[in-house]
Amino acid sequence: DAGVIQSPRHEVTEMGQEVTLRCKPISGHNSLFWYRQTMMRGLELLIYFNNNVPIDDSGMPEDRFSAKMPNASFSTLKIQPSEPRDSAVYFCASSSRREAFFGQGTRLTVV
Amino acid sequence: AQSVTQLGSHVSVSEGALVLLRCNYSSSVPPYLFWYVQYPNQGLQLLLKYTTGATLVKGINGFEAEFKKSETSFHLTKPSAHMSDAAEYFCAVSANSGNTPLVFGKGTRLSVIA
Repeated sequence: DAGVIQSPRHEVTEMGQEVTLRCKPISGHNSLFWYRQTMMRGLELLIYFNNNVPIDDSGMPEDRFSAKMPNASFSTLKIQPSEPRDSAVYFCASSSRREAFFGQGTRLTVV
Repeated sequence: AQSVTQLGSHVSVSEGALVLLRCNYSSSVPPYLFWYVQYPNQGLQLLLKYTTGATLVKGINGFEAEFKKSETSFHLTKPSAHMSDAAEYFCAVSANSGNTPLVFGKGTRLSVIA
């Protein structure tokens, strides 16, 4: 398996634009997590899904953020409109019962 | 609620010296504990984990950690540091092994001096 695949690896966008981050989890994993990493706040959980159902989205900063998992092999995290303070590295992770595996992250810069 | 405190945001050791990275946790349920490593511009890779059973856990690359319930600690050690160990290390706690979120500490950057 190729592991958790995130795209794009890097994204630079202007303030106010819509940004969509994508994640393909490992086949057979039934949980998917979106985390955000910043220097100030470290690694924070944004939202997670079990069996494609959102379980906890209390970490989503505000209504500008939304996440979907339409099927077991794909998830998106959307920011609309984007702001400079959204600049961070966004990680997707998928897990079986044993262990979580992380993607390489998307580095988002909002200018 | 769960939380993790990593003591020392930056640790520097000489090559061949003992590595000790400290982690204390708080958990209202029996914890599952993890150490992850992050190399520059990479994702997180699992080093080792404690679920149940033996309190001394061995991981990849010669690392090990010991779960001490009385001290609420899960410190990471390696007898002899190698240059390739230089990275960011994260301690994390969870309510189970895989299907619940990880709560991370702030991380400790390990530098290895030749």
